[in-house]
Amino acid sequence: GALVYQYPRRTICKSGTSMRMECQAVGFQATSVAWYRQSPQKTFELIALSTVNSAIKYEQNFTQEKFPISHPNLSFSSMTVLNAYLEDRGLYLCGARTGGGYEQYFGPGTRLTVL
Amino acid sequence: GQQVKQSSPSLTVQEGGILILNCDYENDMFDYFAWYKKYPDNSPTLLISVRSNVDKREDGRFTVFLNKSGKHFSLHITASQPEDTAVYLCAAANQGGSAKLIFGEGTKLTVSS
Repeated sequence: GALVYQYPRRTICKSGTSMRMECQAVGFQATSVAWYRQSPQKTFELIALSTVNSAIKYEQNFTQEKFPISHPNLSFSSMTVLNAYLEDRGLYLCGARTGGGYEQYFGPGTRLTVL
Repeated sequence: GQQVKQSSPSLTVQEGGILILNCDYENDMFDYFAWYKKYPDNSPTLLISVRSNVDKREDGRFTVFLNKSGKHFSLHITASQPEDTAVYLCAAANQGGSAKLIFGEGTKLTVSS
C-alpha cells in the first residue's frame, strides 16, 4: 500500500534558528508533494506544491526564501523552515500523490515548537 | 478568505444515529471534493471523495452529496459508532490548479455510546 513517512515527528528549535523536515513516499511514485501547515486553532494551510520537473509553486504568504523545498526524486521531499519564529509553530504535513490523480496520501506530520 | 468552510467546529451524536457534516466552498472551478478523517497525532486519511460530474457517492455507511449550484457538499454517516469519533476535514481541488487540496477548518465529531 501507499505510505508516507515524515521525520522528525516532533521538534523544538530556538527562535531565529532553522529546522529541516523530511517526507518519504513508500509504495508509490510521488510525482507531486504538497506541504501544509496547521497553526494552532487553524486548518491546514497549503504552503507550496512541488511537482517533479516543474517549478515549485508557493501560496500567498509563503515564500521560497522562508520555506525552501527540495523534491529531488519520486520518493523524497524536504522542506526547511528558515529563521523560525513563534508564528511558525504548528503541525507540518506533507501530502503526496501520483500521476494525474487527485488522491493525496498524507504523512503523520512534523510538529514544530519554537521557543 | 477561506475558500472551503465547515460551519460546525464540533458535533456530538448518539451511537447508532445518523449525522450530517457540511462543507461550503467558494471556487466555481473546484471539481474534486473529499472528506478526510483524522485521529489525534495521526495523518488525515481519505474517507470518501467525488468528482464534479456526479452528485452523490456512497460507500458503506458513508455518502457524500454534492450540490454544485449551492457550492455545498456534505457527508452523511449512518449507524454511527464510537470509532467514528475523530476530526473530519472536507477538502476541494481544481484540476487546473494542479489539484492542490484546500481544506476546511474541520469538525470534531464525538459519538457517544
